Amino acid sequence: AQKITQTQPGMFVQEKEAVTLDCTYDTSDPSYGLFWYKQPSSGEMIFLIYQGSYDQQNATEGRYSLNFQKARKSANLVISASQLGDSAMYFCAMREGLDSSYKLIFGSGTRLLVRP
Amino acid sequence: NAGVTQTPKFRVLKTGQSMTLLCAQDMNHEYMYWYRQDPGMGLRLIHYSVGEGTTAKGEVPDGYNVSRLKKQNFLLGLESAAPSQTSVYFCASSQRPGTPWGYEQYFGPGTRLTVT
Repeated sequence: AQKITQTQPGMFVQEKEAVTLDCTYDTSDPSYGLFWYKQPSSGEMIFLIYQGSYDQQNATEGRYSLNFQKARKSANLVISASQLGDSAMYFCAMREGLDSSYKLIFGSGTRLLVRP
Repeated sequence: NAGVTQTPKFRVLKTGQSMTLLCAQDMNHEYMYWYRQDPGMGLRLIHYSVGEGTTAKGEVPDGYNVSRLKKQNFLLGLESAAPSQTSVYFCASSQRPGTPWGYEQYFGPGTRLTVT
């Protein structure tokens, strides 16, 4: 079964508008972390935001916020005031606490295109 | 402070040839990882290391070997390259989880490998 599901292969958003990228996850581990990475066309992986399973508040980093709904097992990324430079692939990932490797499990990604 | 570096950036191999990808980090991180990214997919873990002299298999280890002789270096070897190993390879490192900032994985710029 997929541990991380990103159901939107591609999204468009108008510049300066907000956009939500969906991510659902599946784990029975009570301790886990959720991550969002951005991959621009140049190919590097850029860490955006992190949410721990025990964190009481939703994580925010500048224009990025994570809408964490634990009961629904969703961790959607919200980008406010989109900019042209936000056009990229976005990956949701999870790390499970009981997995001693602490590896990241990635979703298949969402390609975001910001229109001027 | 260069972070995580990977050598080479690009490589073309013929089927059956061998090569070694080098990953180096200057952040004194304990954990290091090798991932591969295929078109339209997220990253998948090949091998990882939780410290100098230790390695372990990840999700897709077949056809690869690794070594961690020095804490700062993590080598990925392909003994007999196959077209199915055409991919982009990412190295990542992190502090030991549970330590401050131990949750984030820092990624190298990637190596694009084509096997013909």
